[in-house]
Amino acid sequence: KAGVTQTPRYLIKTRGQQVTLSCSPISGHRSVSWYQQTPGQGLQFLFEYFSETQRNKGNFPGRFSGRQFSNSRSEMNVSTLELGDSALYLCASKANRAGRETQYFGPGTRLLVL
Amino acid sequence: TQLLEQSPQFLSIQEGENLTVYCNSSSVFSSLQWYRQEPGEGPVLLVTVVTGGEVKKLKRLTFQFGDARKDSSLHITAAQPGDTGLYLCAGAEHAGNNRKLIWGLGTSLAVNP
Repeated sequence: KAGVTQTPRYLIKTRGQQVTLSCSPISGHRSVSWYQQTPGQGLQFLFEYFSETQRNKGNFPGRFSGRQFSNSRSEMNVSTLELGDSALYLCASKANRAGRETQYFGPGTRLLVL
Repeated sequence: TQLLEQSPQFLSIQEGENLTVYCNSSSVFSSLQWYRQEPGEGPVLLVTVVTGGEVKKLKRLTFQFGDARKDSSLHITAAQPGDTGLYLCAGAEHAGNNRKLIWGLGTSLAVNP
């Protein structure tokens, strides 16, 4: 099975711009979660989508939004970029086996805001 | 608020040495996971511990969950350069039907040949 894929892998934007990141989960996985990772804050949960519906949301401003399509692929959008949005954005798809959830992470998209 | 503290933050050792990294919290978790993240990649799940006092072994890695399910440790025996990476712990909290993962900042391990 192919793993979680994320595109693009690297991105450079300037303040005020907006960006869209894409994530394709492992085939058959219906849950996709997004995280922001920075050295100072670690992994911060953004949101989780399941069957095209947002199931959970972290404490991020409304500039961060997401959606999930019928094929379980997900996109994350950040509008009006700020310098502090520079981070590694990770997507994870989830499997539930024998009552235990396992997250599989993609390689991430590294975003640099100048 | 950082609820999971990992120590040490950085560790640089020689190949063949043993090491232990810690994950501590004041909160009780229903389960705790350890991940390893290599540069340019996402975290990869190593183990999930569920029962207080549980010990799990994965080759040269030994994971222990504290009796009170508030802390955990990871011990690596005879470290190898391939063990280099960021070791993250994540504790699971349940609120109703929602399961939330609380992440530590990680221990960055460098194993020098």
